Amino acid sequence: DSGVTQTPKHLITATGQRVTLRCSPRSGDLSVYWYQQSLDQGLQFLIQYYNGEERAKGNILERFSAQQFPDLHSELNLSSLELGDSALYFCASSANTGIVSDTQYFGPGTRLTVL
Amino acid sequence: AQTVTQSQPEMSVQEAETVTLSCTYDTSESDYYLFWYKQPPSRQMILVIRQEAYKQQNATENRFSVNFQKAAKSFSLKISDSQLGDAAMYFCAYRRDRQGGKLIFGQGTELSVKP
Repeated sequence: DSGVTQTPKHLITATGQRVTLRCSPRSGDLSVYWYQQSLDQGLQFLIQYYNGEERAKGNILERFSAQQFPDLHSELNLSSLELGDSALYFCASSANTGIVSDTQYFGPGTRLTVL
Repeated sequence: AQTVTQSQPEMSVQEAETVTLSCTYDTSESDYYLFWYKQPPSRQMILVIRQEAYKQQNATENRFSVNFQKAAKSFSLKISDSQLGDAAMYFCAYRRDRQGGKLIFGQGTELSVKP
């Protein structure tokens, strides 16, 4: 158990809908990262938050947005869903203290299926 | 842009034998970090081993070790005394930023272990 929790584990929805994925980082970790794992794109970085502020953006679609709350949990919002958004969405957290051994620990993922 | 390449989509090893998974990467940075993550059928992403580019000594974690060749931009993972529980997808990953930041993943190598 990495200490990172994600809810829900599975999500099945229809095209055009909107969903919210939730992530709670490990205790004390300030950074949260979101990744998407799909068959055709592999594992791709979406976005990073550090202590409530957006730190870096990757291949995140405009239909997707995220935020990190004062209690450090994060939510990834996916809207106007398309079939191609079906994927496994991971959240990872790290301490980001500047120590070189900073490591990202991954949650169990949320499996999104868009029908 | 940095890229990570795993040229072996699938590998197979006999139980108790040794197997090496290959990874190459492309970067113009001199300071960076390399990782191997394991993804078993549960889909959880588990950190196997980490290597800092400024360290010449190859990292070792029990039965797992790496062969880091900085000049060749090569980072292979050696698994000794393979066990059935080692069967999984293995991802090589690169991180540029000393203080954290996104991971760039390779395409993965599916390792099967034969009893």
